[in-house]
Amino acid sequence: QKEVEQNSGPLSVPEGAIASLNCTYSDRVSQSFFWYRQYSGKSPELIMSIYSNGDKEDGRFTAQLNKASQYVSLLIRDSQPSDSATYLCAAAWYSSASKIIFGSGTRLSIRP
Amino acid sequence: SAVISQKPSRDICQRGTSLTIQCQVDSQVTMMFWYRQQPGQSLTLIATANQGSEATYESGFVIDKFPISRPNLTFSTLTVSNMSPEDSSIYLCSVAQGAGEKLFFGSGTQLSVL
Repeated sequence: QKEVEQNSGPLSVPEGAIASLNCTYSDRVSQSFFWYRQYSGKSPELIMSIYSNGDKEDGRFTAQLNKASQYVSLLIRDSQPSDSATYLCAAAWYSSASKIIFGSGTRLSIRP
Repeated sequence: SAVISQKPSRDICQRGTSLTIQCQVDSQVTMMFWYRQQPGQSLTLIATANQGSEATYESGFVIDKFPISRPNLTFSTLTVSNMSPEDSSIYLCSVAQGAGEKLFFGSGTQLSVL
């Protein structure tokens, strides 16, 4: 059974600080990894994707992947109140039965 | 990214009835997926909709309960059959597109079963 694990939170971070979100996955065959942001009552929106070991930066967001440790993280620098949302980690397998599995999500709250 | 239109956006249904949810994409896509998100929960994959063949269902989901059609590369439907209150949930259509097959979502269907 392929699984993606996240700390459900809530994670409370002061405005302007760095928010760090973590995710582990169970299957070494996982090929692609994604971070989604979901506001209450809305659909998930893709904010980062990462496919190889190391860091990937996009604006205030940095995704980190360590395939040996089966670990993915998302850093949000200079956190803003608008970053308050649930962050979903997802892992993808592309084979005869392609699928993308989501973690349970981490609720992030940025306090002014 | 693809524009994904999903309808209805919400519905209130009676126990024992069925509801068909439609998903239309503005471009051809190979992979389409149906997810369920129960209140306060994360997304659970129901099935992968395959064009020209039967859908591939995840453990705990069966074709008789959630029949799926995929007549072409831009359209799919999910039917929730013989509904019970436990089927109350948000149902999301999604497509994989672009480098690394990123997943994009429709706006969802909020289903309430009385």
